[in-house]
Amino acid sequence: SAVISQKPSRDICQRGTSLTIQCQVDSQVTMMFWYRQQPGQSLTLIATANQGSEATYESGFVIDKFPISRPNLTFSTLTVSNMSPEDSSIYLCSVAQGGVYGYTFGSGTRLTVV
Amino acid sequence: AQSVTQLGSHVSVSEGALVLLRCNYSSSVPPYLFWYVQYPNQGLQLLLKYTSAATLVKGINGFEAEFKKSETSFHLTKPSAHMSDAAEYFCAVRGNNAGNMLTFGGGTRLMVKP
Repeated sequence: SAVISQKPSRDICQRGTSLTIQCQVDSQVTMMFWYRQQPGQSLTLIATANQGSEATYESGFVIDKFPISRPNLTFSTLTVSNMSPEDSSIYLCSVAQGGVYGYTFGSGTRLTVV
Repeated sequence: AQSVTQLGSHVSVSEGALVLLRCNYSSSVPPYLFWYVQYPNQGLQLLLKYTSAATLVKGINGFEAEFKKSETSFHLTKPSAHMSDAAEYFCAVRGNNAGNMLTFGGGTRLMVKP
């Protein structure tokens, strides 16, 4: 299965600033997903990022707050913009592979906004 | 649209006892079902997946799950719990639609007592 390198693993940020999270995959994948896991909660899909097209955002998430780039088939970034303490969460990227039956996750970015 | 319900946000068992984590799904199409485990401060690791082949699926670390269409269930079991099994477990469903994303249940925290 694919190996995903996600950076940073954790960060503490000041409110009002932005943080960009990177995911690098060791093989080419068509579909990448970004999830948020709020403290003590399950995973919620933020958006689907396909190379060569705009990301598709789920209800409750907007591009101005969570801009996503997908410049090629092995890399994507998620930016959390104008952060507030409510954005404190774990953010995970995921890729679909193996005939979309398999999904691999990055190790996550633990974000704390103070 | 598909959804997943995990009964019991916390389950506690004694070491050596049977582990049973419950998952019920709702899907308008034949589902693909997954169980993931998340250890503290780590990303998600795939335990097993059901993709319309055998209804009894064996995964890693001695876990298995049985797909029961009549009950819309995909419960996770392990005959004998180890201390190292203590973690958060997530059931997820992928519907057979263009979105290809996973929808997660609320998660179950498994605690193993010595």
